[in-house]
Amino acid sequence: GQQLNQSPQSMFIQEGEDVSMNCTSSSIFNTWLWYKQDPGEGPVLLIALYKAGELTSNGRLTAQFGITRKDSFLNISASIPSDVGIYFCAGQGRRTGGFKTIFGAGTRLFVKA
Amino acid sequence: DAGVIQSPRHEVTEMGQEVTLRCKPISGHDYLFWYRQTMMRGLELLIYFNNNVPIDDSGMPEDRFSAKMPNASFSTLKIQPSEPRDSAVYFCASSFDNLPQHFGDGTRLSIL
Repeated sequence: GQQLNQSPQSMFIQEGEDVSMNCTSSSIFNTWLWYKQDPGEGPVLLIALYKAGELTSNGRLTAQFGITRKDSFLNISASIPSDVGIYFCAGQGRRTGGFKTIFGAGTRLFVKA
Repeated sequence: DAGVIQSPRHEVTEMGQEVTLRCKPISGHDYLFWYRQTMMRGLELLIYFNNNVPIDDSGMPEDRFSAKMPNASFSTLKIQPSEPRDSAVYFCASSFDNLPQHFGDGTRLSIL
């Protein structure tokens, strides 16, 4: 089946450092999404990307939709302790029966103050 | 505004029992999604509805799983009979479009 390869699996960084994570796939997607999940809560949508090459920011977060439509990255600048959590990418494409959104396995971010 | 509301937050039951998970989407949202999250398989789409009609249920693992959306403000996911491998966190999400934008806080299900 379809898969998204998200990397890295986990990151341990110092407060103030920049962070970069990415997702790749062998399939083409029409939309890329990035979410953050805190313990005991549901994922929260951070950024949605709708067009190949699109670069979108949300505060200290920046995400890009890859030109090939098979990848996306998320950058976090000047990390702070509350950035701790699990970040998920998700790709959506048209599949048999309708649209399908597939999630990556997540990047677990740890920030040391 | 109230977000997506799921109940119960936690459920512990013995295998073979029927389990019913409930979801109230955000008012006005036309799409409702049910996801399951486990350490091994991550977030998996089980089924989604548009205007109360099931559109894609290809992710429903077995006939033991069923989902209904009798009206725009309520959906249920039922497992009967439950098995230990069904233990997971089940999320409901709703949206104005076919992207899962607003998730509830999930139901943590443990089948003993």
